[in-house]
Amino acid sequence: NAGVTQTPKFQVLKTGQSMTLQCAQDMNHEYMSWYRQDPGMGLRLIHYSVGAGITDQGEVPNGYNVSRSTTEDFPLRLLSAAPSQTSVYFCASSSGRVTGNTIYFGEGSWLTVV
Amino acid sequence: AQRVTQPEKLLSVFKGAPVELKCNYSYSGSPELFWYVQYSRQRLQLLLRHISRESIKGFTADLNKGETSFHLKKPFAQEEDSAMYYCAPLRVHTGTASKLTFGTGTRLQVTL
Repeated sequence: NAGVTQTPKFQVLKTGQSMTLQCAQDMNHEYMSWYRQDPGMGLRLIHYSVGAGITDQGEVPNGYNVSRSTTEDFPLRLLSAAPSQTSVYFCASSSGRVTGNTIYFGEGSWLTVV
Repeated sequence: AQRVTQPEKLLSVFKGAPVELKCNYSYSGSPELFWYVQYSRQRLQLLLRHISRESIKGFTADLNKGETSFHLKKPFAQEEDSAMYYCAPLRVHTGTASKLTFGTGTRLQVTL
């Protein structure tokens, strides 16, 4: 049981490049989400999903796309990277939509856009 | 609008001193609140949730609906408590998804 797995752990991109951050969970969780963590800003929700085929925007969705074709995977795509997207990205999952469920986080992906 | 406020970005205490990490919320319903912790270079993990009324690693948190607060407390700080702490309310939408919104976090620094 690996939990939530994110790849890559570190990435450097040039402005304008696109890339995909991968996230997979093996706990059969319905709920998955992506956050970015910036100094002084805490964790900000980018996108989230409540199940395969269903996604929705969080607080800071601009410049990012997501899809949820399977329960296990929730990739985050940067369409045209900008320096403002330099951040640490965390994927998270939890069971169902109901309250009281623990959120499980990946180890984070450090992204630098130059 | 749902909002979580952690007023202190950095809290520095001496080892053995009491710790209180503040969290206030603005919420239209009945919140279920959590504290998550992130040790250096590690993933975030659940520390405790208010519905369990538990004490984890000596930390407790009481939901005060009158003051809309969920402060995290520990009577005697230890060096290994140094970490980033996030307060998180969970909003429930009937029939739809719930978004988990975090506070901006407080870095606790325990010094000798």
